[in-house]
Amino acid sequence: KAGVTQTPRYLIKTRGQQVTLSCSPISGHRSVSWYQQTPGQGLQFLFEYFSETQRNKGNFPGRFSGRQFSNSRSEMNVSTLELGDSALYLCASSLVSLAASWYNEQFFGPGTRLTVL
Amino acid sequence: DQQVKQNSPSLSVQEGRISILNCDYTNSMFDYFLWYKKYPAEGPTFLISISSIKDKNEDGRFTVFLNKSAKHLSLHIVPSQPGDSAVYFCAATRGGSQGNLIFGKGTKLSVKP
Repeated sequence: KAGVTQTPRYLIKTRGQQVTLSCSPISGHRSVSWYQQTPGQGLQFLFEYFSETQRNKGNFPGRFSGRQFSNSRSEMNVSTLELGDSALYLCASSLVSLAASWYNEQFFGPGTRLTVL
Repeated sequence: DQQVKQNSPSLSVQEGRISILNCDYTNSMFDYFLWYKKYPAEGPTFLISISSIKDKNEDGRFTVFLNKSAKHLSLHIVPSQPGDSAVYFCAATRGGSQGNLIFGKGTKLSVKP
């Protein structure tokens, strides 16, 4: 079974631009969550999509948004990029919504490394 | 305000010995805790978890201990192997779900042959 894939793996943008990252979950998984990893803040939860609906959201500004398609693939968009948005963006998929239970293993992709200049 | 803290950024252990990774939390509402392992250029992988109704959970060489009164958990790896060298994250959540997991900043474990 193929794992979680993320594209692109590396991206360089300049301040003020916008960026779209893509995540393909494991086949059959309907939940996709996004995380930001930075040296200063560590791993932080951005949001979760399940059945094309945002189910949960972390504490990030509205410049961070996402969507999920009917095939469960998800995209994350960051508008008006700032230097502080430079980070590794990870997506994770799971069979059911994270809200369903504790015992809901998330499988992470390798991440997209975004550098904002 | 960090709700989950891993105060040791790095840890070095000899192969065959015990590795102990520590994690402290401040929110007494957390009721489920997880450990993830991350190799360079890969995403984190789930390792082991524990709910607040237990104080110990074991899976092979990995054991997690939870001390609720001290708001402290630890991951023990016995015996440590060079392949265990990775960054370890602890995470916590509440309300019976994994929604909005709060992660620590990670501890880099190096196991020397």
